[in-house]
Amino acid sequence: GNSVTQMEGPVTLSEEAFLTINCTYTATGYPSLFWYVQYPGEGLQLLLKATKADDKGSNKGFEATYRKETTSFHLEKGSVQVSDSAVYFCALSPGLDRGSTLGRLYFGRGTQLTVWP
Amino acid sequence: ETGVTQSPTHLIKTRGQQVTLRCSSQSGHNTVSWYQQALGQGPQFIFQYYREEENGRGNFPPRFSGLQFPNYSSELNVNALELDDSALYLCASSPGRLFEQYFGPGTRLTVT
Repeated sequence: GNSVTQMEGPVTLSEEAFLTINCTYTATGYPSLFWYVQYPGEGLQLLLKATKADDKGSNKGFEATYRKETTSFHLEKGSVQVSDSAVYFCALSPGLDRGSTLGRLYFGRGTQLTVWP
Repeated sequence: ETGVTQSPTHLIKTRGQQVTLRCSSQSGHNTVSWYQQALGQGPQFIFQYYREEENGRGNFPPRFSGLQFPNYSSELNVNALELDDSALYLCASSPGRLFEQYFGPGTRLTVT
């Protein structure tokens, strides 16, 4: 089946520290992979995506590389800011897979990030 | 361009009651998906509507039902509410089933 596993939080960092949030997946097709961010009291915003193996998604200083050999899509940022404090969700969309609704997203449980000044 | 909007923002209902949540999709988007996000969890797929037809369903009972209208806005209906239905309900629209989904701010439902 399709599933996403994220590292458990919460993650607490000082400003300008390096961030890694681990994400691994299981998929039956050739999935697209996503990172979404959720700020307090808000819905989800797409942070970045990658649609095939070895693609690197990037946005606002965040990066993640689609690694098919390790079934991973770890989120990284070289220098976090207080404004990055939020919950981060890793997700996959199975693509053309007969066993799943086209475009359906499977989410991990989320990782709470808190950045202190 | 107006994004995805949802109403109401918050709702409190009693166990056994029925509720309707509404979603206006982004202009030009013909696909709407609904997700349930329990506290501290990731969103779980409820169902998807594509061009007014239900196109797929997650592991939710039949008391969760929906509609999509000709303007592609959508409703989620939940009958016989249970305490475990308390969650944030998220609507997402996209210009097609294989395209990026844009999420609304959600409706926070509390069942007492």
